[in-house]
Amino acid sequence: GENVEQHPSTLSVQEGDSAVIKCTYSDSASNYFPWYKQELGKRPQLIIDIRSNVGEKKDQRIAVTLNKTAKHFSLHITETQPEDSAVYFCAVNTGGFKTIFGAGTRLFVKA
Amino acid sequence: DSGVTQTPKHLITATGQRVTLRCSPRSGDLSVYWYQQSLDQGLQFLIQYYNGEERAKGNILERFSAQQFPDLHSELNLSSLELGDSALYFCASSVGDRGGNYGYTFGSGTRLTVV
Repeated sequence: GENVEQHPSTLSVQEGDSAVIKCTYSDSASNYFPWYKQELGKRPQLIIDIRSNVGEKKDQRIAVTLNKTAKHFSLHITETQPEDSAVYFCAVNTGGFKTIFGAGTRLFVKA
Repeated sequence: DSGVTQTPKHLITATGQRVTLRCSPRSGDLSVYWYQQSLDQGLQFLIQYYNGEERAKGNILERFSAQQFPDLHSELNLSSLELGDSALYFCASSVGDRGGNYGYTFGSGTRLTVV
């Protein structure tokens, strides 16, 4: 079955710096790659997604890049702010009935 | 408010007991997914229903069961509870049946504590 690895597990950056989180997957049939943000004690929320026919997608300070050949995709957050502190989950769907989540990255943004 | 409603928000029960968690999906969404999140852990997929039918199963224990009713709300039943079942249980919904190409909308979760 599909396997999703997410790195790093913890990331600490200074406010204003960039943060990059990377995920690798195993199933070449995977075609949808969402990212979720979960603040402490709250529900995961979809922040950005990308489909397999697109290489990059941007939404203000966040962007996602996809390398289908290497089977990895990354979340990029620029000009980080304290409110970006949260756990970020990547996810992968192969067009089947379930989405597999990565283990999560705990991002700390130091003011 | 995400539009996905989960009740109750908190539940404390003793080992060996049985509980039912309820989820109402966002209006227009036909799929319901259940996930378990233990302390500082990721999201473990339990089960998915689409329009009343079971579509996918993850690592769901035999002591756990779920169903989706004609009005599309779903219930997750947990029985013979053990201390290790203590976790945050999330319900999510999406418009499609295949999960892919549609992001999930999560409810606020039910925090289950087994004592």
